[in-house]
Amino acid sequence: KAGVTQTPRYLIKTRGQQVTLSCSPISGHRSVSWYQQTPGQGLQFLFEYFSETQRNKGNFPGRFSGRQFSNSRSEMNVSTLELGDSALYLCASSLVGQGHEQYFGPGTRLTVT
Amino acid sequence: GNSVTQMEGPVTLSEEAFLTINCTYTATGYPSLFWYVQYPGEGLQLLLKATKADDKGSNKGFEATYRKETTSFHLEKGSVQVSDSAVYFCALHRIGGGADGLTFGKGTHLIIQP
Repeated sequence: KAGVTQTPRYLIKTRGQQVTLSCSPISGHRSVSWYQQTPGQGLQFLFEYFSETQRNKGNFPGRFSGRQFSNSRSEMNVSTLELGDSALYLCASSLVGQGHEQYFGPGTRLTVT
Repeated sequence: GNSVTQMEGPVTLSEEAFLTINCTYTATGYPSLFWYVQYPGEGLQLLLKATKADDKGSNKGFEATYRKETTSFHLEKGSVQVSDSAVYFCALHRIGGGADGLTFGKGTHLIIQP
């Protein structure tokens, strides 16, 4: 069974631009969660989607948004990029949701210059 | 709110040494507890989990026991190998508290020397 895939793996953007990251969950998994990982703040929960609906949201500004498609693939978008948005963005999928075992992708390394 | 505290390290041990990584948590209710491991350049992998008090999670020689009385979930391994070098994250999810997602500790960088 294929694991969680994330594209692209690396991305360099300029301040003020926007970016879209993609995540394909494990086949059959309907829940997709996104996390931001930075050296200073560690791993922080961004949001969770389940059956195309945002079910949970972390404490991030509105510049961070996401969506989920009918095939459970998910995208997250960051608008008006700031230097502090440089991070590893991790996607995780699970069969049901947050309380159940989550499988993580390798992440997308975003660098904002 | 929920929080997880763990030693950040780096923790450096010799091969075959005994490992303990401490993890304590703060949460209302009855959270599920997890240990994840992150190898260089990779995403997180679930190492083990426990969903109720006194449960013991185990995998690949690692063990952790859910201690509600001390709000702890310490990770142990009897004999570490060089291949265990990685960053280890303790995490919790409070059932019914989905708004926070998984709450992670800062991670403990483990280095095993041959």
